[in-house]
Formats: sequence, structure tokens, C-alpha cells
Amino acid sequence: ILNVEQSPQSLHVQEGDSTNFTCSFPSSNFYALHWYRWETAKSPEALFVMTLNGDEKKKGRISATLNTKEGYSYLYIKGSQPEDSATYLCAFRNAGNMLTFGGGTRLMVKP
Amino acid sequence: DVKVTQSSRYLVKRTGEKVFLECVQDMDHENMFWYRQDPGLGLRLIYFSYDVKMKEKGDIPEGYSVSREKKERFSLILESASTNQTSMYLCASSMPGSLTETQYFGPGTRLLVL
Repeated sequence: ILNVEQSPQSLHVQEGDSTNFTCSFPSSNFYALHWYRWETAKSPEALFVMTLNGDEKKKGRISATLNTKEGYSYLYIKGSQPEDSATYLCAFRNAGNMLTFGGGTRLMVKP
Repeated sequence: DVKVTQSSRYLVKRTGEKVFLECVQDMDHENMFWYRQDPGLGLRLIYFSYDVKMKEKGDIPEGYSVSREKKERFSLILESASTNQTSMYLCASSMPGSLTETQYFGPGTRLLVL
């Protein structure tokens, strides 16, 4: 079983703060790294898929970077808003069809 | 938009009952998956299917079975529910064949086994 870890497990920030969290994954047999956002009572929603070392993706105030050589990805949120409150999941794909998920980072943004 | 639906949002069952969790996707995806999510553990794969009538065990298949009689529908079966199967169950689907293959998730079923 592959080891995918996310830190921190939970995070409380004030509205307007910028924040970031980490996903670490095996650096061998890398295929892709996925980020999902999972809001309470909703379906997990795909944010980014990254495949190349050095990839950076951006969607509004959220961005992500990828380092496949050292096995980590960062997710950044600039100027957090209450609607950013969610659990952020990363998932690692190797040469197979399967995703291995991290435990998630639960973000709470206080107004 | 891809839509994945699950038959129930909340279920309460008794130990020993047979439980069916249904999942339907409307995008003609070949792959379908069942996960469970427990606090601090992330999503763990129970079973997946890459075609009608095909199934493969995931990381934690014990105590579960699945059925895929039609492409759009993937059922998870708990033959005899136990309290350690209390969890959030998520279904997902995807179209295979690319590096960026994305799984699309249903809203989850929260199962409580008493």
C-alpha cells in the first residue's frame, strides 16, 4: 500500500489570510497527482491534475505546485474566504489505474 | 456535467442485516469505484470495476461484495453488516485512458450500523 500523507490534518485561519498545505507521495513510478476539494454535504470536486515535475496550476485564488523528484505538492489559497472551508484531498496515481488518497487537510476559514 | 448519484445520503442498519448501496453515473464511464472514508484515514478503495460484470478487489474488500450488471450502475453489498462498517461510503466513476483521468464522485452515503 502506497503512503500518501497530507499535513496539517486541520487548519483554522481568519478570512483574508493566505494559507498552504502539503501532500507528500512516493517519488518513484509517478504518473499524476490530483487535488480535490470536498465541501460538507457535497461531492468531492476535482481541482487540479498535475503530471510533470515543476507543474503549477491555478484556479482563481487557489494554486498548486508539484515536485515529483522529492515527492511533494503544495496547495496555496490566497486571501482565504469562508466558502473555501472544506477538506482538501490529494491523490497519487502510479502506472496503474488506481488513486491512493491522503488523509486530507480540513480547512476552516473564520469570517 | 458528469453526475454520480448514490441511492441514500444516510442509512441506519442493524448488525447482521444485508445492506445495498447503489450508485449510478450518467456519463457512460467504464470505470466505477467504491471507497470508504473514515476520519484521518482518507479514502480507501473497497472494490472497482472496469466493465460490466467485471470487478476487482481494492485495498479493503473484506466483508463487501459488488455487482455491476449495467454499465451505469455499481452496487456495493454488505452481506452481514457489522459495527466496524459504520462509515462514509463514496462512489466514483471515470473514463480510463489518459494521464489526467479524473474520478467523479457521488455525494456519499453515511452508514450507521447499530
